[in-house]
Amino acid sequence: LAKTTQPISMDSYEGQEVNITCSHNNIATNDYITWYQQFPSQGPRFIIQGYKTKVTNEVASLFIPADRKSSTLSLPRVSLSDTAVYYCLVAPDTGRRALTFGSGTRLQVQP
Amino acid sequence: NAGVTQTPKFQVLKTGQSMTLQCAQDMNHNSMYWYRQDPGMGLRLIYYSASEGTTDKGEVPNGYNVSRLNKREFSLRLESAAPSQTSVYFCASSQPGTSGGADTQYFGPGTRLTVL
Repeated sequence: LAKTTQPISMDSYEGQEVNITCSHNNIATNDYITWYQQFPSQGPRFIIQGYKTKVTNEVASLFIPADRKSSTLSLPRVSLSDTAVYYCLVAPDTGRRALTFGSGTRLQVQP
Repeated sequence: NAGVTQTPKFQVLKTGQSMTLQCAQDMNHNSMYWYRQDPGMGLRLIYYSASEGTTDKGEVPNGYNVSRLNKREFSLRLESAAPSQTSVYFCASSQPGTSGGADTQYFGPGTRLTVL
């Protein structure tokens, strides 16, 4: 399974755009990049998934360069409620589908 | 839909006691998982079940057993609890991506276990 590296923590202010970058140098051809969000005392929640280029949904955007060795989760105009831990995961579309979680990025949004 | 439910929400055990954590999902998912999360850490996979009748070890299986009772239910048993098993336990189930891709996992609310 590809190992991921992301910043331990980030700080931002309400209304700003936040970009969290994840490195996954050993990503395999059939791996997808998925981001989860976890609030305190809750289980993780799926945010977005992509394979290459750009994916956007109502919550976030995911940018993946051509070499796929990194990805960037973009949260537009964050609010206090976006304070959470964000996990970047790499997992294949076939075979064992259990996820490998790192320590994630702890995002703190200030007023 | 209730999604993924877990019982109990909280539990305190003494060293050596046994207990079973229950998990159920109503989304008709084939795959189910048990993770543990220690304070300030990411989740670590204990066991998973790709389909009814099959189970496989994850990253940290020692001290645990699982049962995939049917498609809906996946239980985790601690036979002889130890303080090192104090953690938050999350159950999850997953479905394949709607247009390919890796599975999307849905997590329960967790069980907070303390072993004294």
